Amino acid sequence: GENVEQHPSTLSVQEGDSAVIKCTYSDSASNYFPWYKQELGKRPQLIIDIRSNVGEKKDQRIAVTLNKTAKHFSLHITETQPEDSAVYFCAASPWGAQKLVFGQGTRLTINP
Amino acid sequence: GAGVSQSPSNKVTEKGKDVELRCDPISGHTALYWYRQSLGQGLEFLIYFQGNSAPDKSGLPSDRFSAERTGGSVSTLTIQRTQQEDSAVYLCASTLGGGEYEQYFGPGTRLTVT
Repeated sequence: GENVEQHPSTLSVQEGDSAVIKCTYSDSASNYFPWYKQELGKRPQLIIDIRSNVGEKKDQRIAVTLNKTAKHFSLHITETQPEDSAVYFCAASPWGAQKLVFGQGTRLTINP
Repeated sequence: GAGVSQSPSNKVTEKGKDVELRCDPISGHTALYWYRQSLGQGLEFLIYFQGNSAPDKSGLPSDRFSAERTGGSVSTLTIQRTQQEDSAVYLCASTLGGGEYEQYFGPGTRLTVT
């Protein structure tokens, strides 16, 4: 079955700098890759997603890139702000199934 | 409209007792998922329901765990003979289906087994 690895497990950056979180997946047939943000004590919420027919997607300060050949995808946050501090989860959806396999999460801390 | 709701928000139970956790998905959503999140950990898939198809139970950790979805809407996750390692937040999510993959999560039920 699908397996998703996420790195790093913790990341600390200065406010205003960029943050990058990387994930790899094992099932080459996976076709949907979302990123969820979970603030402390809150539920996970989708922040951006990408499908396998697209290489990059941007939404304001957030971007996701996908390399299907290498089976990895990354989340990029630019001009980080204190409210970006949270746990971020990547996920992959195996082809033919609507379930998501999540990475272990990255705790991002933005230092003022 | 209303989001995914779960009840209870907190449940404390004694080891060996059975518990039932409830999830009300967004109206019209055809797929429903249960996850377990231990403190500081990731989201562990448990089970998912898609329309009238047989549920995917591949993530259930033992036969003490079961779930049902009645009338294609409300779902109940049952844990029998609870153990301390069952303590976690249990999250439910729903998806519209039909090629729409975004999962909308509920607030979770925090289960503590003493």
